[in-house]
Amino acid sequence: SQTIHQWPATLVQPVGSPLSLECTVEGTSNPNLYWYRQAAGRGLQLLFYSVGIGQISSEVPQNLSASRPQDRQFILSSKKLLLSDSGFYLCAWSLTGFSGANVLTFGAGSRLTVL
Amino acid sequence: AQRVTQPEKLLSVFKGAPVELKCNYSYSGSPELFWYVQYSRQRLQLLLRHISRESIKGFTADLNKGETSFHLKKPFAQEEDSAMYYCALRDDKIIFGKGTRLHILP
Repeated sequence: SQTIHQWPATLVQPVGSPLSLECTVEGTSNPNLYWYRQAAGRGLQLLFYSVGIGQISSEVPQNLSASRPQDRQFILSSKKLLLSDSGFYLCAWSLTGFSGANVLTFGAGSRLTVL
Repeated sequence: AQRVTQPEKLLSVFKGAPVELKCNYSYSGSPELFWYVQYSRQRLQLLLRHISRESIKGFTADLNKGETSFHLKKPFAQEEDSAMYYCALRDDKIIFGKGTRLHILP
């Protein structure tokens, strides 16, 4: 069966420090991968999505970036964190093709606090 | 541009009363719509999708293209329905509304 892992689950970082959140998917190949940020009153904001290795679409201009070095690995990064980057980050995947396509399966999330 | 609107941040309903969570969308093509739910201390998960036309946990949602709506309904609320509900729309990517917190009162 397919599983999705996110880490770290919780992270406290000072302003200006770098960030790396990792997401891996098991049990499937060539998934679509997504990073969302969940904030109270702002819902789920799509940050990045990827349909394949090295293919990243950015939805929101910001100081975050994403990379997909392997088929089932999706990384969210920043060189210098801002206070406004604090939030709950969710990784998700979906199948490509017709069967089960477009249904998102979410990870447990990573809570980032920038001080 | 495509957009999903959930006008209510919080909806409080008594146990046994009907529930309706509103969702409106703007999309130029033929939409594919979903409802996701997040129960306390659980992962966000799919509740239902419009193409399945199914009832999950007593919830149904009908796509109304004329009104560009996809409201989520349940005739009799249960306490375990208390959760955060998100409406979502798929284009080449999947976007979500801001969510509605449903609180079932005893």
